[in-house]
Amino acid sequence: QQQVKQSPQSLIVQKGGISIINCAYENTAFDYFPWYQQFPGKGPALLIAIRPDVSEKKEGRFTISFNKSAKQFSLHIMDSQPGDSATYFCASEASNTGKLIFGQGTTLQVKP
Amino acid sequence: KAGVTQTPRYLIKTRGQQVTLSCSPISGHRSVSWYQQTPGQGLQFLFEYFSETQRNKGNFPGRFSGRQFSNSRSEMNVSTLELGDSALYLCASSLTTPRGETQYFGPGTRLLVL
Repeated sequence: QQQVKQSPQSLIVQKGGISIINCAYENTAFDYFPWYQQFPGKGPALLIAIRPDVSEKKEGRFTISFNKSAKQFSLHIMDSQPGDSATYFCASEASNTGKLIFGQGTTLQVKP
Repeated sequence: KAGVTQTPRYLIKTRGQQVTLSCSPISGHRSVSWYQQTPGQGLQFLFEYFSETQRNKGNFPGRFSGRQFSNSRSEMNVSTLELGDSALYLCASSLTTPRGETQYFGPGTRLLVL
């Protein structure tokens, strides 16, 4: 019940295209869903996060779509740029645990 | 405001040794969490400290321990190192608790066990 499944494992997108990464969770107690971006040699950095009381959140080129009934959420990167090439992790957290459960990560390559 | 700092950045140890990693949270942050990152297992939660108390622990053996000081700085200790402990150890801090609040990660300490 603690798993978060992330797909795809790797993704190649042309510059200007849309990158879509999906995550599914099992634990209905999860109530916070952040996305992190990690570059080689760096720690993960928060991109955007959502709570289950909204179905979508947009910040710049990054959008989270959330489907509570399906227990799924996704990250959309619009107008993808080569600088977006990184590893992306979804995560989930339940208020009564205080710990992030991470997906396995998606390596995104944006080709110029 | 300075970010989360971790020392050392790189460490090489041999099997059976022990190691201590240090984490200084963002000023004003009172919660510190530790994670282990490996290519095979991904990012896994180790433990979380708030106001010098361990409030949550992941599924790691007792060889992994930690503590937090009154200034919120935290240390993580791994005793009797095994080859499988080779990983990037990440520390994250948040303002009060990590319960739904943004966790800010440091650059990590890369540990290699030979």
